[in-house]
Amino acid sequence: GAVVSQHPSWVICKSGTSVKIECRSLDFQATTMFWYRQFPKQSLMLMATSNEGSKATYEQGVEKDKFLINHASLTLSTLTVTSAHPEDSSFYICSARWSLEAFFGQGTRLTVV
Amino acid sequence: GQQLNQSPQSMFIQEGEDVSMNCTSSSIFNTWLWYKQDPGEGPVLLIALYKAGELTSNGRLTAQFGITRKDSFLNISASIPSDVGIYFCAGPLSGTYKYIFGTGTRLKVLA
Repeated sequence: GAVVSQHPSWVICKSGTSVKIECRSLDFQATTMFWYRQFPKQSLMLMATSNEGSKATYEQGVEKDKFLINHASLTLSTLTVTSAHPEDSSFYICSARWSLEAFFGQGTRLTVV
Repeated sequence: GQQLNQSPQSMFIQEGEDVSMNCTSSSIFNTWLWYKQDPGEGPVLLIALYKAGELTSNGRLTAQFGITRKDSFLNISASIPSDVGIYFCAGPLSGTYKYIFGTGTRLKVLA
């Protein structure tokens, strides 16, 4: 299967700072990537769709100014959590579509203190 | 909107037992994907289904695409301790490549 790599796997930041999470497709090109958020013991909630060369599309209720997404190349999408607050603490996971399937990164555990 | 409900929500089983879980949708899906997620990790794709009625195996795992296209089933035979984890079904929202996830089935295997 296709390989998606996410970095970092965990990060702790101070309230008010910004954090960038990277998602790379290692052995294929991905024009579309997806960002999910997962709370403890819950399912994955789609936050946004990252489109190479164009603006991301956000799901209802997701603040686009809080969660900045950039898809600058066919193998890299980044999610920046701006002015992070403790309520932004969560597990963030990216995925990339290859053929009709979605492959996921390892996830990033964000803790805002 | 489209929703995916999984049952059971969680289950404890003895090692060696077979496991069955299902996923139902409020609307038709053209693709069903089954994933396993270990704690602190991203989901790993187990099986992909593309046609109604399709039955596909991956080792001890077998999944079926329901003929109504509104449900799918996953079976695990002869469970082992490493089968512990959360199993999710997923499918693309109609007309898009956006994948939504089911509510998950948490599996615990007793040695």
